[in-house]
Amino acid sequence: DQQVKQNSPSLSVQEGRISILNCDYTNSMFDYFLWYKKYPAEGPTFLISISSIKDKNEDGRFTVFLNKSAKHLSLHIVPSQPGDSAVYFCAASRGGSEKLVFGKGTKLTVNP
Amino acid sequence: SQTIHQWPATLVQPVGSPLSLECTVEGTSNPNLYWYRQAAGRGLQLLFYSVGIGQISSEVPQNLSASRPQDRQFILSSKKLLLSDSGFYLCAWSTSRNIQYFGAGTRLSVL
Repeated sequence: DQQVKQNSPSLSVQEGRISILNCDYTNSMFDYFLWYKKYPAEGPTFLISISSIKDKNEDGRFTVFLNKSAKHLSLHIVPSQPGDSAVYFCAASRGGSEKLVFGKGTKLTVNP
Repeated sequence: SQTIHQWPATLVQPVGSPLSLECTVEGTSNPNLYWYRQAAGRGLQLLFYSVGIGQISSEVPQNLSASRPQDRQFILSSKKLLLSDSGFYLCAWSTSRNIQYFGAGTRLSVL
């Protein structure tokens, strides 16, 4: 049972435009959500996170939105840059757990 | 600042040979430590995690084992590798609120 789902395996956008990466979850006990960015042959890098008590968190060009009623979160990148081309993983955790549950990732390609 | 070291970066091993991958963390005490595997075209699969020395939790039954002989050292092992053990292995650490920080990874090819 996949508790964190990233239904789009890939996304292609033009440089300067907005990239929107989506993630759905099924476990209502999740209360903390994270986004990671991964380049080939490297470890994932933490990007941004959000607690379930918030619906938005912003850090520079990156904004994460959380819709708890829909069990949906999204990562917005504005403006998109070619260096943003990578695989983006959504992850979730619940209080009291030391573990993260990851989605399968979405490959973002930003075209110059 | 905290750093995580993982080695080797790449490894080619024959089927049936043993495996030992090492991960060490600097700049923090009593971290949670994790081993993940990313198979080709797949997401991140949690293999083992540890909340303290000698405390190992296994997430999936498989050909691998993990040990934590020291506070900031985490080792992934196998006595006999299988072809299906090929993949990209990642070590990670965390201290609070489950933000995990990953090493550079080891590309293992079992031939």
